[in-house]
Amino acid sequence: KNQVEQSPQSLIILEGKNCTLQCNYTVSPFSNLRWYKQDTGRGPVSLTIMTFSENTKSNGRYTATLDADTKQSSLHITASQLSDSASYICVVSPSGTYKYIFGTGTRLKVLA
Amino acid sequence: GAVVSQHPSRVICKSGTSVKIECRSLDFQATTMFWYRQFPKQSLMLMATSNEGSKATYEQGVEKDKFLINHASLTLSTLTVTSAHPEDSSFYICSARDLPTGGSEQFFGPGTRLTVL
Repeated sequence: KNQVEQSPQSLIILEGKNCTLQCNYTVSPFSNLRWYKQDTGRGPVSLTIMTFSENTKSNGRYTATLDADTKQSSLHITASQLSDSASYICVVSPSGTYKYIFGTGTRLKVLA
Repeated sequence: GAVVSQHPSRVICKSGTSVKIECRSLDFQATTMFWYRQFPKQSLMLMATSNEGSKATYEQGVEKDKFLINHASLTLSTLTVTSAHPEDSSFYICSARDLPTGGSEQFFGPGTRLTVL
C-alpha cells in the first residue's frame, strides 16, 4: 500500500534555530516528491518539487533532500522565523498517475 | 501565475440545508480539478476528481449524491454539499491542474471552512 509517513508529528523550536522534518514513503515507483507549507485555515503552498532523480532542492531557507534508495526525504529549515509556524506536508506522486499521496504532516511552532 | 480561488472562505449553515462551494482557476485553464476534505489535525483526503465536461470520479466511501460536483467550464468547479449535517463540518480544499502546460502540478485554493449547526 502506498503510504507517506512524516515525523515528528509536531515540533516546537525557538526563533532563529534550524530544524529538520522527515518523510518516509513506500510509494514506488514515483515521479515526484513535493513539500508543502500549510498555514492554519489556508490551502497548501508548494515549497519544493523533486523528481526521483534529484537529491536536493532549495527554496530560500528551505532545503529538501531525497534519498530514493532508502525512500526518505527531509525538509531542513534554516534560521527559523515566527512565520514558519505551520504544517508541513510531504506529498508523493506515484508514476503513471496524477494523484497525490499526502503525508501525515508535521506541525511546526516557532516561538519568540 | 497559477492562482486558484475559493468562495466562500467560510460558511455556517443549518443542518439539512445545502451549501455550494466554488473553485476557480484565475489565470489558467484547469482541465482537472480535485476536491479534498481536511479534518482538524489531519492531512488532506481526496474526495473526488473532476474533468471539465465529464462526470466526477469519486473516491471510495464518498457519497456522490451527497457531494455534487460540477465542472462545467475550464475555470470553474463547484462542490455542493446536500442536506448537510454536523459531521460534514470540515475544511474543504480544491486544487486545479492544467495538464497541457502544468503537467501533474496541482495548485491549491485557500480552502472553505464549513460549519453545520
